[in-house]
Amino acid sequence: GAVVSQHPSRVICKSGTSVKIECRSLDFQATTMFWYRQFPKKSLMLMATSNEGSKATYEQGVEKDKFLINHASLTLSTLTVTSAHPEDSSFYICSARKAGEQYFGPGTRLTVL
Amino acid sequence: SQKIEQNSEALNIQEGKTATLTCNYTNYSPAYLQWYRQDPGRGPVFLLLIRENEKEKRKERLKVTFDTTLKQSLFHITASQPADSATYLCALDRNTPLVFGKGTRLSVIA
Repeated sequence: GAVVSQHPSRVICKSGTSVKIECRSLDFQATTMFWYRQFPKKSLMLMATSNEGSKATYEQGVEKDKFLINHASLTLSTLTVTSAHPEDSSFYICSARKAGEQYFGPGTRLTVL
Repeated sequence: SQKIEQNSEALNIQEGKTATLTCNYTNYSPAYLQWYRQDPGRGPVFLLLIRENEKEKRKERLKVTFDTTLKQSLFHITASQPADSATYLCALDRNTPLVFGKGTRLSVIA
């Protein structure tokens, strides 16, 4: 298998602040990582594809200026939710591929008050 | 547009029985189909991958079938246990980010 970690696992912030979520591939290198969002009782929805050393590719309807993605190394991608609002409260999950299989981090629960 | 349907939002079965979950898709030709398990508040955990040229795959008590003509995959858990209770997601794959179904919440009752 492969291990993907996320930090933090939970974060509560005030409306208008920014929150950074880290995603790391612990035992392999990942040139591409994926960020998903999951609302309660809903499926995972792909937000963006993070590419090491280049710009992220965002899915339709996802604001790139609001969800900043940085993939500075082969083992780390970060997602920054800027000027967070209550409607951004969700479960954010990152993922990376290894040998064709996609492995997921444990998720970050974001609550915006 | 691509559509993935998992037949039941929830499925309850008795311990020891075989659970069968269904995943149907339209407007897509996946090279692979993957099944994941997700527990509440956790990320999905990879279970099995089956390729388009494979009919069946097994791993311990798990069995997956893939029928590209019917555009359907079946996921079986034999001798089910309460610890198998979770949400199971199917995902379509063509070397692009996975596209997920909504999942089936399985409850195995002792």
